[in-house]
Amino acid sequence: KAGVTQTPRYLIKTRGQQVTLSCSPISGHRSVSWYQQTPGQGLQFLFEYFSETQRNKGNFPGRFSGRQFSNSRSEMNVSTLELGDSALYLCASTMTVFGGANVLTFGAGSRLTVL
Amino acid sequence: DAKTTQPPSMDCAEGRAANLPCNHSTISGNEYVYWYRQIHSQGPQYIIHGLKNNETNEMASLIITEDRKSSTLILPHATLRDTAVYYCIVGAGGSQGNLIFGKGTKLSVKP
Repeated sequence: KAGVTQTPRYLIKTRGQQVTLSCSPISGHRSVSWYQQTPGQGLQFLFEYFSETQRNKGNFPGRFSGRQFSNSRSEMNVSTLELGDSALYLCASTMTVFGGANVLTFGAGSRLTVL
Repeated sequence: DAKTTQPPSMDCAEGRAANLPCNHSTISGNEYVYWYRQIHSQGPQYIIHGLKNNETNEMASLIITEDRKSSTLILPHATLRDTAVYYCIVGAGGSQGNLIFGKGTKLSVKP
C-alpha cells in the first residue's frame, strides 16, 4: 500500500513570498498532521486535520495555515515567508490501532529554503 | 514541552543489544509510550508503542516499568542501519496526530 506522499520534495523561495505544500495520506487515513523540523527547535507540531476540520493546532503564527479536502489530502500554506521558515516540513497520517493508540506514518518531507 | 527525558547520545557496538532509556515520570493513566526513530533527513519511522505491558514486534522490544515512570527500548541486535535519532513520546490515544517530540537520543552503531 502506498505511503504518505509529499510534494514538492525541495523548493527555494525568497522572503515575502508564499508557499503551498501538499500531502496525500495513506488510503483510509482520515487524520493528517503537519510538523516543522529545524536544527534549533527540532520537530514541532503545526496542526492536525480530521474530516476536513482542524482538530489541533500548535503554537505557530497565523502565517501558517492548512486545509484538508474531502479525499483527506491536505495542503499547508505559509505566507510572507521569513528566513526562519527554512525547514523540513513533515506530514503524517494517522490510524488507530490496538484499542486507541496513535500510530503516525510520516512522509519524506518537503525541504523549504527561504533566501 | 515534551513529557520525556532521554540521554542526548549513546553508542552501541554492531551486533550487540542497544538499550535506550526514557523517563516519563508525569505520564497519565491513559497515555501511551511511543517510540519513533529518524534516520538523517528522512521522516520519522514508527517503531513500537505500549500502555502498561511490555511489547515486542519485529523491530524492537519495549519494557515499561510497573509504575510506568520510565521505559526502555531494546534493539536486540543493532546494525549500522539502526544509527538514527530515537524519540520517546508520551501521548494520549484517540487518533490524535499531535504528538510532542523532544530532542531524542542520537544512537550511533559502530562496527
